[in-house]
Amino acid sequence: KAGVTQTPRYLIKTRGQQVTLSCSPISGHRSVSWYQQTPGQGLQFLFEYFSETQRNKGNFPGRFSGRQFSNSRSEMNVSTLELGDSALYLCASTAGVIGDTQYFGPGTRLTVL
Amino acid sequence: TQLLEQSPQFLSIQEGENLTVYCNSSSVFSSLQWYRQEPGEGPVLLVTVVTGGEVKKLKRLTFQFGDARKDSSLHITAAQPGDTGLYLCAGRNTGNQFYFGTGTSLTVIP
Repeated sequence: KAGVTQTPRYLIKTRGQQVTLSCSPISGHRSVSWYQQTPGQGLQFLFEYFSETQRNKGNFPGRFSGRQFSNSRSEMNVSTLELGDSALYLCASTAGVIGDTQYFGPGTRLTVL
Repeated sequence: TQLLEQSPQFLSIQEGENLTVYCNSSSVFSSLQWYRQEPGEGPVLLVTVVTGGEVKKLKRLTFQFGDARKDSSLHITAAQPGDTGLYLCAGRNTGNQFYFGTGTSLTVIP
């Protein structure tokens, strides 16, 4: 079974631009969660999507948004990028049952200049 | 808000030594998980503990969940270079949201 895939793996943007990251979950998994990882704050939860609906949301500004498609693939978008948005963005998939194991992708490394 | 504090942040030890990593919180969690993350990869789940006081062993790794389900520890016996990585604890609340600790970076020197 293929693991969680994320594209692109690396991205460089400038302040003010927007960016879209993609995550393909493990086949059969219906839940995708997004996390931001930085050296100072560690891993912080952004949001979770299940069956195309946002089921949970972390404490991030509205510039961070996401969506999930009918095939469970998910995208997250960050608008008006700031220097502080530089981070590793990880997605994790589960079958969707509460308490399921999360399987993480390798992440997208975003650098904002 | 960082709900989970891990200590130490950095640990560099010789092969064969023992070590303990701590994960503390003032919040109660439904369960607590430990992950290991290697450079260029996402975190990989090592164990989930659910019951207060629970102890789980995974070869040379021993995980314990505090009686009050607010803290946990990871003990590694006879560390090996392959244990090198970033160790993360994560607490799950009743809303199925995960809160991660800042991590402990472990280096095992051959």
